[in-house]
Amino acid sequence: QVTLKESGPALVKPTQTLTLTCTLSGFSVTTSGMRVSWIRQPPGKALEWLARIDWDGDKFYSTSLKTRLTISKDTSKNQVVLTMTNMDPVDTATYYCARATTRANWFDPWGQGTLVTVSS
Amino acid sequence: DIQMTQSPSSLSASVGDRVTITCRASQSIVSYLNWYQQKPGKAPKLLIYTASSLQSGVPSRFSGSGSGTDFTLTISSLQPEDFATYYCQQSYTVPDSFGQGTKVEIK
Repeated sequence: QVTLKESGPALVKPTQTLTLTCTLSGFSVTTSGMRVSWIRQPPGKALEWLARIDWDGDKFYSTSLKTRLTISKDTSKNQVVLTMTNMDPVDTATYYCARATTRANWFDPWGQGTLVTVSS
Repeated sequence: DIQMTQSPSSLSASVGDRVTITCRASQSIVSYLNWYQQKPGKAPKLLIYTASSLQSGVPSRFSGSGSGTDFTLTISSLQPEDFATYYCQQSYTVPDSFGQGTKVEIK
């Protein structure tokens, strides 16, 4: 069974760096064709795609956030990590990770999401 | 970047109604358009991929159509469990992008 699970702090202060981890189960991030994305959703608002890492190490970022984002993978733990610098209250959101593949380039499945609140 | 625009932003409908949601891309995305359903407090769920292919396990009352820049999600007979927010998403090119969502409410 393919699952993803997000983890990280529930609360961060403004200007701090956020680190989120997506733990994968039932598939490997290094398997040819695999893609893992991060997507966020502020309370009551729409989904926003943030970043993607592919099985071969290729990385892609949101145009508006690319200076603040870094995506990486820990193959030994089968995890994908997202860091976002200089956090602001407008970054308060539920953060999801989701899988796609080169042959099935749509998000399925998704993790359950983790709510991150930015507040002093 | 490709912009995705959904309409309407919200709608009220009754059980049994036929519901249509539209999604327009700012440039051609061929058929690289996916639809998701999201219920409060839950992660989005894939309904339709590549514009018209029904995800396994999704009821056949859901259907998708379109190509190029204009796409449609149709629910042929709205059921109580279909009251939710629906999002389109283009996977034609990175960065991926979503529509702003359409909330389907009970009339």
